[in-house]
Amino acid sequence: GAGVSQSPSNKVTEKGKDVELRCDPISGHTALYWYRQSLGQGLEFLIYFQGNSAPDKSGLPSDRFSAERTGGSVSTLTIQRTQQEDSAVYLCASSSFPGGYEQYFGPGTRLTVT
Amino acid sequence: DQQVKQNSPSLSVQEGRISILNCDYTNSMFDYFLWYKKYPAEGPTFLISISSIKDKNEDGRFTVFLNKSAKHLSLHIVPSQPGDSAVYFCAASVTGNQFYFGTGTSLTVIP
Repeated sequence: GAGVSQSPSNKVTEKGKDVELRCDPISGHTALYWYRQSLGQGLEFLIYFQGNSAPDKSGLPSDRFSAERTGGSVSTLTIQRTQQEDSAVYLCASSSFPGGYEQYFGPGTRLTVT
Repeated sequence: DQQVKQNSPSLSVQEGRISILNCDYTNSMFDYFLWYKKYPAEGPTFLISISSIKDKNEDGRFTVFLNKSAKHLSLHIVPSQPGDSAVYFCAASVTGNQFYFGTGTSLTVIP
């Protein structure tokens, strides 16, 4: 079956502009996670959606970051007024938790803020 | 505050020998641990996991060991193959909610 997909694969934007990153999880997976990986760093947790529960937003670095998940499926991560330090690879993962803890990752979106 | 640490950024191993990747954690509440493998320009791929009620889990060439008293996790790959060359991340979780990842270890298997 289809895995997790993300779009765009690459995004170059000017400082101060808003960007939207999209994630299509594996069909039927109830849990969806957003992470980012800055150069030379590990994966940094951003936000977690589980079913219809309120999302865990504790990892969002500032109020410029927001995410939503429509219909329990597709998710959009929005970064407003982008800054150069937002440049990173943004990774989305889904899992069937509580059916299983293993997360399946998409290929990521490489964001470059100039 | 880095709750999961991989102190070796890189490791080189001869083909056929054992690769041992290490991971330390600080939160004693973690009850589930995972290893992921990542190739360049791809997302991480799940490799193997272990629950805190076990101290060993084996899947083919991959074995994960958990030492709860030392808060230490290791991944053994034997025999190592050139295709195993990748970045390996360990991750830990409390009941499958938020996951904490290490910074990764880049493994190079030399033919």
